[in-house]
Amino acid sequence: NAGVTQTPKFRVLKTGQSMTLLCAQDMNHEYMYWYRQDPGMGLRLIHYSVGEGTTAKGEVPDGYNVSRLKKQNFLLGLESAAPSQTSVYFCASSQGNSPLHFGNGTRLTVT
Amino acid sequence: GQQLNQSPQSMFIQEGEDVSMNCTSSSIFNTWLWYKQDPGEGPVLLIALYKAGELTSNGRLTAQFGITRKDSFLNISASIPSDVGIYFCSGPDYGGSQGNLIFGKGTKLSVKP
Repeated sequence: NAGVTQTPKFRVLKTGQSMTLLCAQDMNHEYMYWYRQDPGMGLRLIHYSVGEGTTAKGEVPDGYNVSRLKKQNFLLGLESAAPSQTSVYFCASSQGNSPLHFGNGTRLTVT
Repeated sequence: GQQLNQSPQSMFIQEGEDVSMNCTSSSIFNTWLWYKQDPGEGPVLLIALYKAGELTSNGRLTAQFGITRKDSFLNISASIPSDVGIYFCSGPDYGGSQGNLIFGKGTKLSVKP
């Protein structure tokens, strides 16, 4: 009964490096989301997906790309990391308008 | 766009005290959700409200869907140390991303034993 699993849990990158965050859900949810959480800013939507093979931009998409090749996985990529992307990243999934289920986050530091 | 304003931003209380926090919006919501985020973890749904005026409890937690549909309240009775965390209100993003929720900035609760 894993729910939403994010890997890795922590990562440190140097400016300009690239990486991919992986999110996997085992609830057969159609919708998946990537948020970032910064102090005093709450949760802000980066990108989301309403089904396999589809993605869309959220509130703060710049500097990120996503892919949803399989229904259960949603990948978040940073092509060229910047210090402004230091944050905690949360993946979530839902079935339509049902409440979101969140993973436990990935803490990313860009130096 | 839609925004949710939570207050207070933070609270420091003694164990055993009751807690009240609220969430307001300039626009109407048809659903209010309250999440709690424990330190180092992702948000977890506490209570969902779907009808104006609705009052719903989950253990020591009680939430109300305001009659104007522009606000919601969360109360915690007889707080305990494990109530520590950040409490977020949220509602559907009607004007933006399909299926998405928008979140308030959270109320950070600290409980002194």
